[in-house]
Amino acid sequence: DIQMTQSPSSLPASIGDTVTITCRASQTIRRYLNWYQQKPGKAPKLLIYAASSLQSGVPSRFSGSGSGTEFTLTITSLQPEDFATYYCQQSYSSPHTFGQGTDLEIK
Amino acid sequence: EVQLVESGGGLVQPGRSLRLSCTVSGFTFGDYAINWVRQAPGKGLEWVGFIRSKAYGETTDYATSVKGRFTISRDDSKSIAYLQMNSLKTEDTAVYYCTRQTTYYYDSGTSYYFDYWGQGTLVTVSS
Repeated sequence: DIQMTQSPSSLPASIGDTVTITCRASQTIRRYLNWYQQKPGKAPKLLIYAASSLQSGVPSRFSGSGSGTEFTLTITSLQPEDFATYYCQQSYSSPHTFGQGTDLEIK
Repeated sequence: EVQLVESGGGLVQPGRSLRLSCTVSGFTFGDYAINWVRQAPGKGLEWVGFIRSKAYGETTDYATSVKGRFTISRDDSKSIAYLQMNSLKTEDTAVYYCTRQTTYYYDSGTSYYFDYWGQGTLVTVSS
């Protein structure tokens, strides 16, 4: 199974900050990497697929990059609604593993 | 409007069975694979398994943790996917989500993402 490791696990930040979350795969997954946002008590929401393609309706302050085994999710000019938990997921091979999550918290 | 609605969750004793349903509307159910993802209380997301569309043989695949105990099926005439859970363990306690899998073509290959999710249904396995 491909292991997905996110860092950091917790990320304190302030409104207006730019933050970056990293996701590493235990083997190459080319660019088959998705990012999701989850708020408490809600289902996850797709933000980015194919490492850098923005899902329709997602604000442009969200961006993704990377290939192979290392990927990043960057959020610029943090808004209050961005404080949530973020998960990466590899879609290269089954089982379709998720990272352990990164809690983006208000500093 | 695309909707996925899970039902069938509840409290069940260890070793017993439970069947979850995922009722879909707003898109052609038969054209899509459906996945199940779970989330234990206070924990992260865990992929459970999926079923491909009829065009791909309705084949299934499962996480190692549930293989042999869980079975996913679908009824395209009713737009419902099912997750049959047998021999339940306390560690199966979680919110269970069904998701629509959308396939895309990229860099001479195909991949997918989960673009629509249900609201989840809680399964509690406890004596």
